[in-house]
Amino acid sequence: ETGVTQTPRHLVMGMTNKKSLKCEQHLGHNAMYWYKQSAKKPLELMFVYNFKEQTENNSVPSRFSPECPNSSHLFLHLHTLQPEDSALYLCASSQDADSPLHFGNGTRLTVT
Amino acid sequence: EDQVTQSPEALRLQEGESSSLNCSYTVSGLRGLFWYRQDPGKGPEFLFTLYSAGEEKEKERLKATLTKKESFLHITAPKPEDSATYLCAVGGGSYIPTFGRGTSLIVHP
Repeated sequence: ETGVTQTPRHLVMGMTNKKSLKCEQHLGHNAMYWYKQSAKKPLELMFVYNFKEQTENNSVPSRFSPECPNSSHLFLHLHTLQPEDSALYLCASSQDADSPLHFGNGTRLTVT
Repeated sequence: EDQVTQSPEALRLQEGESSSLNCSYTVSGLRGLFWYRQDPGKGPEFLFTLYSAGEEKEKERLKATLTKKESFLHITAPKPEDSATYLCAVGGGSYIPTFGRGTSLIVHP
């Protein structure tokens, strides 16, 4: 039990599909994050929400759309993705800006 | 711009052979240096936070140390179950920690 739960664990989608990734944290944290992890690259921050307000959007293409309805839930809506978007998508939460991140186990996304 | 460089990129050890992983960093106002362990197919797992030079933290066979320019993760008498990718990150007080590329550690029995 990591405290941060991501679903689904694996997702295969075509370039014309629309899907959503879900993240839920049970740690009472105030900030939630989406990261992209590709082979041989550092973790890439995509979005940060602090108290449900988006504070960072790291130049992410509009085909990725985040939603944070409350401080415990975070979604990443996907549409018209490209094959290069295939990666492990990680959700994380933290208590504040100086605290460590707690990660979920990710969604392995394959775009065909 | 904050930067984190980890070395080596990959490390192979025999069981019981102690070694160290390095994390060099530049940050304007360090608010925390974080070590994580990541197993294949899983998210990173938090190990340690270090806040100031001279600080040390230990957990089982792992010991993390911090200077003003770098951090070391010392692994004493490693076991095969210590095999993983170890990630270092620095926080500058924003909600944007900077991660290194990681060190992939393999411990052979």
